[in-house]
Amino acid sequence: DSGVTQTPKHLITATGQRVTLRCSPRSGDLSVYWYQQSLDQGLQFLIQYYNGEERAKGNILERFSAQQFPDLHSELNLSSLELGDSALYFCASSKVGTPSPNEQFFGPGTRLTVL
Amino acid sequence: AQKVTQAQTEISVVEKEDVTLDCVYETRDTTYYLFWYKQPPSGELVFLIRRNSFDEQNEISGRYSWNFQKSTSSFNFTITASQVVDSAVYFCALSEGALGGSQGNLIFGKGTKLSVKP
Repeated sequence: DSGVTQTPKHLITATGQRVTLRCSPRSGDLSVYWYQQSLDQGLQFLIQYYNGEERAKGNILERFSAQQFPDLHSELNLSSLELGDSALYFCASSKVGTPSPNEQFFGPGTRLTVL
Repeated sequence: AQKVTQAQTEISVVEKEDVTLDCVYETRDTTYYLFWYKQPPSGELVFLIRRNSFDEQNEISGRYSWNFQKSTSSFNFTITASQVVDSAVYFCALSEGALGGSQGNLIFGKGTKLSVKP
C-alpha cells in the first residue's frame, strides 16, 4: 500500500458526460501528479500541483482540469467525455517537486470506461 | 526532447533464469533522474529505484540490480533467478532537473511485459 488513495476505483459513464476523480496524497506529501495510462498512448503525465498551485502541465486536454485543495487532496475533472478518454488514471504524490524530484508513490488508479 | 525507449515489448523466461530489461533515455539536461516502476497484473505502480545523473554506481537490491551507463544513455534492470511473482510490466522513467523546466514529472517508456513461467 503506497499510502495514496484514489476514488472511485472504477467508473463507467457515457460519451458527453463529466466525471470527477479524487486523490488523497500520502501524509506529508505536497506534490500531486496525475497520469493517464491508455493502450495506445502508454503512461502520460497530465498535470502537477504543489501545495495548491499548478506547477507543470503535460499532455492534458482542454476538456480536462484539475485542482488541489487546502487539505492537499486533488481532483481531476474530465468533461465532454469521448470514447478515447477510456483509460486508467493514476494519481501520484511526492514530498517535493523540485529541484530534486523524489520518488513518486502511485495510487491504485481509477479505471474510466466511456461507453 | 526527452524520451525513454524500452525496445523489448515482451519477454518470456522460465523460473530461475536471469533476465535483463533494457532502457535507453534521451535528455539534454545534465541533471536528471531515472526510475524503474513495476506494474503487476493487479494494476498498481510500484516504485523500485531512483538514480540521479551524477551517481553511476550500480545498485543491487536482493535479486534486483541496475546498471547505469551515461556513455550509452542506458539504465538497465536485471532480475537474477527470476520467480513467477516477478511477472509484471516494468517501466523505466526519466525526470529532468529543475533547470530543464520540468517540475519532477515522469516521462515513461512504453514498458516491458515480463512473463516468468514455472
